[in-house]
Amino acid sequence: GESVGLHLPTLSVQEGDNSIINCAYSNSASDYFIWYKQESGKGPQFIIDIRSNMDKRQGQRVTVLLNKTVKHLSLQIAATQPGDSAVYFCAENRSNDYKLSFGAGTTVTVRA
Amino acid sequence: NAGVTQTPKFQVLKTGQSMTLQCAQDMNHNSMYWYRQDPGMGLRLIYYSASEGTTDKGEVPNGYNVSRLNKREFSLRLESAAPSQTSVYFCASSLTFTGRDYGYTFGSGTRLTVV
Repeated sequence: GESVGLHLPTLSVQEGDNSIINCAYSNSASDYFIWYKQESGKGPQFIIDIRSNMDKRQGQRVTVLLNKTVKHLSLQIAATQPGDSAVYFCAENRSNDYKLSFGAGTTVTVRA
Repeated sequence: NAGVTQTPKFQVLKTGQSMTLQCAQDMNHNSMYWYRQDPGMGLRLIYYSASEGTTDKGEVPNGYNVSRLNKREFSLRLESAAPSQTSVYFCASSLTFTGRDYGYTFGSGTRLTVV
């Protein structure tokens, strides 16, 4: 079936290192993607988005890469900090069905 | 700026009881959504309201009903709670139905346990 998913459920990162969180999608009609961050006890928070006419988009300490050929996107966090510890979700939004579909999430733990 | 406010934050129900989860947004958003979040399954859409006066089913609507009371408020009702409805419920809103450019704004969630 069609789904949005993340490759790994957990990721442990040393403080100061760069983090890479991966996400695969299967629906070629998906043309808009969002990364969310969810801290413990809180709702998901928008981090960054990317449209399918782009390959890369940068924000503050974050970069999203989109590879439409293999239906893969990633979120890179530079110089990971303790405050980056959270669950990260990718979500897709299709041009013919605007509802967001979420992956299962990756839990990122930052080691001091 | 409160954003999206959900009440209550926690609730325990007995099987068969009913309750309504409340959601209100103060961002003048047109579209509102209810999601449930279960371990290892991400967020699944229950119901949504693309605009005031309309509601539609999402992927897991069974056992729920919704009301878009006005532009600000979107409630979720469980008529006869079941243990399978134990979950964390999130309300979200977006300026446009596509949710593009700004994504969705989520509330802080309601943790519901049905015993």
